Amino acid sequence: GAGVSQSPRYKVAKRGQDVALRCDPISGHVSLFWYQQALGQGPEFLTYFQNEAQLDKSGLPSDRFFAERPEGSVSTLKIQRTQQEDSAVYLCASSLDWTVYGYTFGSGTRLTVV
Amino acid sequence: DQQVKQNSPSLSVQEGRISILNCDYTNSMFDYFLWYKKYPAEGPTFLISISSIKDKNEDGRFTVFLNKSAKHLSLHIVPSQPGDSAVYFCAASSGNAGNMLTFGGGTRLMVKP
Repeated sequence: GAGVSQSPRYKVAKRGQDVALRCDPISGHVSLFWYQQALGQGPEFLTYFQNEAQLDKSGLPSDRFFAERPEGSVSTLKIQRTQQEDSAVYLCASSLDWTVYGYTFGSGTRLTVV
Repeated sequence: DQQVKQNSPSLSVQEGRISILNCDYTNSMFDYFLWYKKYPAEGPTFLISISSIKDKNEDGRFTVFLNKSAKHLSLHIVPSQPGDSAVYFCAASSGNAGNMLTFGGGTRLMVKP
């Protein structure tokens, strides 16, 4: 596709439920990033992939968060045993050369934990 | 500890005038800076960037200025248009941190017709 596609757009989860958020990056983009954006704040870095390799996961807030990109294209962010503080918009971005073009972000998945 | 700060949560400007959005940072290791624009229910869209070896970068109506000594950057939009109304985020990166961007909290710009 022409852009970064994320699904679902909205997800309501009961506390304690596991969720999986999907990201389809732009074809050919080597780099893929996940960010978390709480209401009224800027995006915060979660993790970074180069192809299938997860090079940085320093932003993942707890071991309940797990991300993978097994074939170097589609990525999944999984949150186990969701908590209310996990409620946020989860943004995925991909890039070819981010210093020239920046990242291209998807529209995000809004997760609400009730 | 916020390393990138946008101290104005909102800004209102008349159409045709200049909009100036400001951003301050604390980490002297940051060497690359970007501005993003975000409409509701959409992801941020890349606007313009600047490397720390420059003090100005221009792209059409958008100009970014970097003052390294003051650890301050600003985005100028001239002339402002109603379609520019959005939330603007500045972001910074350092070579040591790889590709991670640190974002400010955003400034909501409203351009009045």
